[in-house]
Amino acid sequence: KAGVTQTPRYLIKTRGQQVTLSCSPISGHRSVSWYQQTPGQGLQFLFEYFSETQRNKGNFPGRFSGRQFSNSRSEMNVSTLELGDSALYLCASSLAGAAENGYTFGSGTRLTVV
Amino acid sequence: SQQGEEDPQALSIQEGENATMNCSYKTSINNLQWYRQNSGRGLVHLILIRSNEREKHSGRLRVTLDTSKKSSSLLITASRAADTASYFCATGLIQGAQKLVFGQGTRLTINP
Repeated sequence: KAGVTQTPRYLIKTRGQQVTLSCSPISGHRSVSWYQQTPGQGLQFLFEYFSETQRNKGNFPGRFSGRQFSNSRSEMNVSTLELGDSALYLCASSLAGAAENGYTFGSGTRLTVV
Repeated sequence: SQQGEEDPQALSIQEGENATMNCSYKTSINNLQWYRQNSGRGLVHLILIRSNEREKHSGRLRVTLDTSKKSSSLLITASRAADTASYFCATGLIQGAQKLVFGQGTRLTINP
């Protein structure tokens, strides 16, 4: 079966712009989580969606937002980009929640803000 | 702040040797999971051990969990060059969110 698909793989944006990243989870998985990975902070939890509802949220500013569609596909948006937003953004899907069975991760979107 | 802390931060061994990585955490957990990440790619789920389990095996992997010491170890036996990667422990917390809290990882290098 197909894995978790993230698009695009690479992205270069300018400070102040906004960006939208997309994630298609494994078929049948209803939970989608987003993580930001940087060398300094490691893997930081952004938010989790389950059946189109945001169930959990990490400690990120309001510039970071997301949503989930009825087919479980998810998008995350970052507005007013800052240099510090440069990171690998990882999407992870699970049947009902990562704490139960673990995640399947996508390959990530590498965002560079210049 | 990170829940889990891996030790060592980096480990370099010869092919065929065993590799042991440790993880300590701070709060009570429902389960602990180990993931592998190859250079800038997504993470791959390796093994999950629940809080009422003490040891679990999967192929060349052996994971132990000591909830009294809030620590876990991952042993990779008979290492191969393909095992070169970063390894992360992640804790599923008892209270609150359906999320995993990741440690900073151990960078493992297997030398041929």
